[in-house]
Amino acid sequence: AQSVTQLGSHVSVSEGALVLLRCNYSSSVPPYLFWYVQYPNQGLQLLLKYTSAATLVKGINGFEAEFKKSETSFHLTKPSAHMSDAAEYFCAVSLRVGAQKLVFGQGTRLTIIP
Amino acid sequence: DTEVTQTPKHLVMGMTNKKSLKCEQHMGHRAMYWYKQKAKKPPELMFVYSYEKLSINESVPSRFSPECPNSSLLNLHLHALQPEDSALYLCASSQVSGQGYEQYFGPGTRLTVT
Repeated sequence: AQSVTQLGSHVSVSEGALVLLRCNYSSSVPPYLFWYVQYPNQGLQLLLKYTSAATLVKGINGFEAEFKKSETSFHLTKPSAHMSDAAEYFCAVSLRVGAQKLVFGQGTRLTIIP
Repeated sequence: DTEVTQTPKHLVMGMTNKKSLKCEQHMGHRAMYWYKQKAKKPPELMFVYSYEKLSINESVPSRFSPECPNSSLLNLHLHALQPEDSALYLCASSQVSGQGYEQYFGPGTRLTVT
């Protein structure tokens, strides 16, 4: 069964600093991978997704993620953090075959220090 | 229009009440989902509808009863809930189930069971 692990339940970065949120997956074949963001009292918004077209995926709000099969990783980065980036971030995986059952990581709460 | 709407935003109900949550999308999506999210946790899949037919039930208690009247609407009927059922209930939709299509989430219904 596929699973996803997010390293670090809380990450704090200074405004303007690099944001790096880590995600590792476990699957027998490379799955589809997603990053979602959740602001307080809101639903989830898709940041980006990997479906095998390109290993470096660019998303909204300046975020990008790189798929590394050898490391089974899909880390999320942003060169310069903004205060508005403070939120909960979820990495999610789904199988390539069968119904799209999204399995989420435990989430990483990103805090931006002014 | 990439919006999924959910009503009501907030719901307080007693353990003997019957209530319903409603979800609507007009993106032509043929897969719709219900998730349950407890505080500081990731969303947990409850049900998946594909082409208006129930395709996944994640062993959800029968006090939760989903219904998909048409391709745009998804309901979740609630009866005899327990206090531990208090959570944020999220609806999502995707073009079809599987194949890496991203899910679009609604803002959620915050349910409190007293």
